[in-house]
Amino acid sequence: DAKTTQPPSMDCAEGRAANLPCNHSTISGNEYVYWYRQIHSQGPQYIIHGLKNNETNEMASLIITEDRKSSTLILPHATLRDTAVYYCIVNAGNQFYFGTGTSLTVIP
Amino acid sequence: GAVVSQHPSRVICKSGTSVKIECRSLDFQATTMFWYRQFPKQSLMLMATSNEGSKATYEQGVEKDKFLINHASLTLSTLTVTSAHPEDSSFYICSSASGGPYQETQYFGPGTRLLVL
Repeated sequence: DAKTTQPPSMDCAEGRAANLPCNHSTISGNEYVYWYRQIHSQGPQYIIHGLKNNETNEMASLIITEDRKSSTLILPHATLRDTAVYYCIVNAGNQFYFGTGTSLTVIP
Repeated sequence: GAVVSQHPSRVICKSGTSVKIECRSLDFQATTMFWYRQFPKQSLMLMATSNEGSKATYEQGVEKDKFLINHASLTLSTLTVTSAHPEDSSFYICSSASGGPYQETQYFGPGTRLLVL
């Protein structure tokens, strides 16, 4: 079962930062937080992952709270192509259990 | 990231026939690959973990005799839906994993849309 909860939907204005929250209050000490996104009718695309420290790559930033019970994915300058369902996953072993995700709509 | 392909991308078959879906890890050797199913407007559901050279591990509620998985090489896993019925119509997605324990990033294929008439 998924160990994460996310808001079902969010809107963001084009060019603004999109901040997507995720709660994972039962996360274990050795479990990583992964973020993927799925554009309609495609396979999920890897975005970023982290354990404790904040992470940044060319796509996004990941902010993990100190107690690791929640995290936020930040898309710094959202574009229309960022419209997708975003999934936050806590890695229990090597199997991924997807929750319902957040449907992000970027508005022109 | 790693590149994973699936074939076919779309298949339509008659009820009672079997359909084979291939998943290939194109640029790295995957000892473990995963199969998911996704119904419309729902999230991905893990079906099974495919281990190279050994039997697949199925999630609870997934019939192993109906969804046959073969992972004969480090770059290829196949899922065969046997005696397909309309309720098996779905989007089937595979992934391959790279990385060490607890840090296995999965890279997903583009998916195969199955329609059973």
